[in-house]
Parts: sequence; structure tokens; C-alpha cells
Amino acid sequence: AQKITQTQPGMFVQEKEAVTLDCTYDTSDPSYGLFWYKQPSSGEMIFLIYQGSYDQQNATEGRYSLNFQKARKSANLVISASQLGDSAMYFCAMREGPGEYGNKLVFGAGTILRVKS
Amino acid sequence: NAGVMQNPRHLVRRRGQEARLRCSPMKGHSHVYWYRQLPEEGLKFMVYLQKENIIDESGMPKERFSAEFPKEGPSILRIQQVVRGDSAAYFCASSPPMRRGHEQFFGPGTRLTVL
Repeated sequence: AQKITQTQPGMFVQEKEAVTLDCTYDTSDPSYGLFWYKQPSSGEMIFLIYQGSYDQQNATEGRYSLNFQKARKSANLVISASQLGDSAMYFCAMREGPGEYGNKLVFGAGTILRVKS
Repeated sequence: NAGVMQNPRHLVRRRGQEARLRCSPMKGHSHVYWYRQLPEEGLKFMVYLQKENIIDESGMPKERFSAEFPKEGPSILRIQQVVRGDSAAYFCASSPPMRRGHEQFFGPGTRLTVL
């Protein structure tokens, strides 16, 4: 079974509008972490935002926020006020376990976001 | 504070040759992870190492692939007798020791092309 599912292969958004990228996950571990990474056409992996399974509030980092719905096992990324530079591939990833001893990340297939001017 | 460094950034090999990919983690980081990204796909975990120890190699192909992280020097991912299917981007990530949660810091990747 897929541990991380990103159902949107591609998305378009108008510049300055908000966009939501979907991510659902599957785990039986009570302690886990959820991440979003951005991969522009240049290829590097850029960390955007992190949400721990025990965090009470949704994570926010500037224009990025994570809509964490634990019961539904979803961790959608919301980008507000889209910019042309936001055009990239976006990956959702999960770390199972508390992380003190290091744990591998499991990635989704990604969503390509294109921002239109 | 330099980020995770990988070299070479691009590597071309002919079938049957060996490929060596290097990763220098961020200063103070003792955990190293290798991931592979095939074209049009997400990253797939290969191996997790600490200094001189392989902790989890559940994602490593059983043959031709090996990894090490010696006491001194960078982590090395070694692919022997490369085949066309090995063409991919290989990313290294590092994280600090005993740190709860939080991101792994990724290097820029090595793009391997097998002719």
C-alpha cells in the first residue's frame, strides 16, 4: 500500500492566488513527521515545512502552511499569494517514528505546480 | 556553514563501469541518507548510515550497490558494473545526531547517466 499519496499530478494557479496541494498518508505508528519539499527545474530539494504528529497547531512558514487533519490522515500544503518562482515539483514525505535515532523519509510521487501570470 | 555537498554533480559512465558518488554532510551532522530519483518519479530511500555503520540498507539493491561512511572523509555510494537502469539522480541528505523530528538537509544531487 502507498504510504504517501499525492493525487494531483499537475496543478495550475494564477499568480497571487492561493493553491492547495493534496497529500494523504498511511501509517500505524503514533509518532511520525510530515514534510514538504520543493524541487525546481534546477533539481535541488528545498525543505519547506514540517509537521509532527503530536503538534497541536498547524505548521506555518511564511507563505506556506500545512493543513494537518490527523483523523483523515491528510497533510495538505497551502501556498498563499502564489509567485512565478513557485513553479516547481512539490513532494510530500513522511518519517515514521520519533526521529531521535534518525529515520528514512518516504516520498510521494509529487505534484507539478505551474503559476500563470 | 556550508550545506550538504555532493560531487560530482553530473557523472557519465558506460555500461559495465563503476560509479562513485560522494557526499559530505553538513558540519556536525553524523547521519547520512542516500535516495534515488528515477525520471518522473519521487525519491526512494536507499540507505541510512552513521559514522562507520550502516543502520538501514533496506532500500539498497542486493547486488552491485554499496555504501560507506568512514570515520574520516565523505560518504560514498558505489555502483559497480552500471547498467542503463541505474541512470537517475542520487541525492544525499544529512541530519544532526539525536535531534528529534525535523528536516533532513539535502545536497544538490548527482545525476548519473549510463550510456
